[in-house]
Amino acid sequence: AQSVTQLDSQVPVFEEAPVELRCNYSSSVSVYLFWYVQYPNQGLQLLLKYLSGSTLVKGINGFEAEFNKSQTSFHLRKPSVHISDTAEYFCAVIYTGGGNKLTFGTGTQLKVEL
Amino acid sequence: GAVVSQHPSRVICKSGTSVKIECRSLDFQATTMFWYRQFPKQSLMLMATSNEGSKATYEQGVEKDKFLINHASLTLSTLTVTSAHPEDSSFYICSASGSGGAKDTQYFGPGTRLTVL
Repeated sequence: AQSVTQLDSQVPVFEEAPVELRCNYSSSVSVYLFWYVQYPNQGLQLLLKYLSGSTLVKGINGFEAEFNKSQTSFHLRKPSVHISDTAEYFCAVIYTGGGNKLTFGTGTQLKVEL
Repeated sequence: GAVVSQHPSRVICKSGTSVKIECRSLDFQATTMFWYRQFPKQSLMLMATSNEGSKATYEQGVEKDKFLINHASLTLSTLTVTSAHPEDSSFYICSASGSGGAKDTQYFGPGTRLTVL
């Protein structure tokens, strides 16, 4: 079965430090890739998405992600985090051969500390 | 971005009763709506996909008679948890998509916290 792996369940980081949240997916077939952020007791907000074209995608709140087809990865990065970035981050994939269903990773809790 | 609302945001009910959750797309027409379930500190699991005017497509292992989904208009889908039991307690999140295509962004609602006593 196709899957999405977020190896880090929790990532603690100090404010203004850079951060990378890792995401790998299971198949090398055509995919669309997404990162969502979830604040406590809220729904998901789209940070960025890759559909085609440039492999470096820029999103909201200063986040960016790079699609690496050979490594089947879509890691999320931010050069300098803020306290307000503390949240749960979900990587999600649509495998284009399987309809338009989003398959989510298990999430990474980013905790930004002073 | 597009706005999706859910009502209620929280609901507590007794075991054996039914609960209806509404999902509305406020500023766009949603051909397709998705219903997810999220357990504490876990990811979202797709329960079903509904297209306006047709029957919902349920994921494997989801009981369609227990989780009734109606998508009667392009702005409203409802999920009814019938004869709810404590194990149905969860965070239910809907999302809406304009055309339903794979490239189309899904916009998520804020979720509904269901607690069954």
